[in-house]
Parts: sequence; C-alpha cells; structure tokens
Amino acid sequence: AQTVTQSQPEMSVQEAETVTLSCTYDTSENNYYLFWYKQPPSRQMILVIRQEAYKQQNATENRFSVNFQKAAKSFSLKISDSQLGDTAMYFCAFMRTDKLIFGTGTRLQVFP
Amino acid sequence: EPEVTQTPSHQVTQMGQEVILRCVPISNHLYFYWYRQILGQKVEFLVSFYNNEISEKSEIFDDQFSVERPDGSNFTLKIRSTKLEDSAMYFCASSESYRGVDTQYFGPGTRLTVL
Repeated sequence: AQTVTQSQPEMSVQEAETVTLSCTYDTSENNYYLFWYKQPPSRQMILVIRQEAYKQQNATENRFSVNFQKAAKSFSLKISDSQLGDTAMYFCAFMRTDKLIFGTGTRLQVFP
Repeated sequence: EPEVTQTPSHQVTQMGQEVILRCVPISNHLYFYWYRQILGQKVEFLVSFYNNEISEKSEIFDDQFSVERPDGSNFTLKIRSTKLEDSAMYFCASSESYRGVDTQYFGPGTRLTVL
C-alpha cells in the first residue's frame, strides 16, 4: 500500500525568507502523480503544485517549487519569498489510481 | 474561475439521524470524489464516482454511506445513521478525467457535527 510521510509537524519562517517542507512516500509503482495542497484556516483545500513521476524536471509555480527525487521517493516543497498569506497547513499527496493519499500535514507559520 | 461548491457549510445533527451533504462539481468535470478530515487528522479518501457508478471506495465507506448524482449538477453524500465518529470535515472534489491526468479540485468543505 502507498503511504505518504511528512516528518515536520510544524515549521516557521520569517516573511521574505525561504522554507522547505519535506515529504517522502512509499510505492512500488513507476507511474504516479504527486501534489502539494494548502489548507488555510478556512480549511479549504487549495492545490499548490503537482508533479508527474515520469517527468524529470521539477515543477515550479511562481514562488513554489518542488525537489522531486524519484529514486529516493522524496518530494519536498520550497516556498521562496514567504508571505504572511502562506500561513497554512500543507499536505503532500500521492495519486496512483483515482484517489489521493495524503500525508499528515505540516503546519507552516510565516512571521512578519 | 469555475469552482466546486458545497452546501451546507456546517451541519449539526443528532446521532442516528440521516444527513445529506451536497456538492456541485465543476461543470465539465466527469469524476467526483468525497474525502473526509477528522479534526486534527489527515484527509482521507472515501469514494470516487464516475458515470453514475462508484469507481473505488475505502474501508471507511461502509453501508451507512451512499453517493448519488441525482441530476446533471449535484453530487451527494448520504450518511444513513450518523455516529459521533462521523463528525468531520467532508470535502467534495472533481476532476475532468482521472488517474492523475487531471487535478482534483476541492470544494470548501462541509463541517459535520454529530451530537
């Protein structure tokens, strides 16, 4: 069975600084998809970024980028130039069939 | 920008009562999902639905749960006889296709409180 592990329950960063959130996963599959979702205090789940496992190039979305290491089964999220609005829970998720498997989340606090 | 909507935003019910949670997926999406998140825990998959049939369901999705697409726009989750442990945030999601080809977009969630 696939599992997703986020080993950092909480992280904090100062505004304008860079922070990296870790995620590892376990699967025997070769083709799959990885996602980072953001959950602000409103509790809505917002897609941040996605990565296809068959792509070697790391995905980037504005200030958000990933470091995808397929052999190591690692999928970290880097947030550059952190903003107060980035304060949220961040969930890493794995998809192989049509269901998302989520990690336990990392609570990120951005300080002014 | 199209979005998934859910109603109600908060539902309070007595244990043993039936509840129906409603979702309106993005209009051109064909695949629909329900997830739940117990407070302080991770988001868990409940069920996926395509072409008026359940595609996949988790062990959480037992006989107390059912899903339906009663018309061309709504997608519902019914819990027949609620238990205290059903208290959670329930998220609906939809995607244009599946198996990761298209991203699942989530609604704002319905907070279910079972007393």
